[in-house]
Amino acid sequence: EADIYQTPRYLVIGTGKKITLECSQTMGHDKMYWYQQDPGMELHLIHYSYGVNSTEKGDLSSESTVSRIRTEHFPLTLESARPSHTSQYLCASSENVRKAGSSYEQYFGPGTRLTVT
Amino acid sequence: KNQVEQSPQSLIILEGKNCTLQCNYTVSPFSNLRWYKQDTGRGPVSLTIMTFSENTKSNGRYTATLDADTKQSSLHITASQLSDSASYICVVSDRGSTLGRLYFGRGTQLTVWP
Repeated sequence: EADIYQTPRYLVIGTGKKITLECSQTMGHDKMYWYQQDPGMELHLIHYSYGVNSTEKGDLSSESTVSRIRTEHFPLTLESARPSHTSQYLCASSENVRKAGSSYEQYFGPGTRLTVT
Repeated sequence: KNQVEQSPQSLIILEGKNCTLQCNYTVSPFSNLRWYKQDTGRGPVSLTIMTFSENTKSNGRYTATLDADTKQSSLHITASQLSDSASYICVVSDRGSTLGRLYFGRGTQLTVWP
């Protein structure tokens, strides 16, 4: 089982509130990712990081921001939540495939189900 | 346009029966293909990963096949169990960037009835 954790698991919050979704992994992985997933739909990459102090936007435009100050921690922040942000947010991590013997595997956390009212 | 298409969208089978899920992709250049199992409200969990040179890989009752020429993959589940009820997602990775971009299918929702 993957050692990647997300908190909270469920969050219901009012419009305009600032929220931070936490993601931590204890596998020492360089790469970390945030995905957004709506029911019955595919995962969409919204942010990724190659390592400390590296953050990039993904394919799906998102009003959220991320930071990577420590290898194991990759929090996602929404400054002002809106109902359109209601979704499931999944964090994942993987080894740097340039390292010899590393795998292609991405390990996913359990997700945060966000509802903005 | 790089795409991953899965069929059927949903499937109901009786416990103990076998089933096969399909995945067609147009991703190029191809690096690897993965099958994930996602339980409701949980994150995806990897079942198999296959590279270009592999055409079959098993993980317990799950067997994945890959035909890189026709760009098709299948996931066969043998002797299904109630716990197999989940969404099964096909994911294809390209090798066109250092990120190894992933292309996700929408999944097949499998329900196993007793």
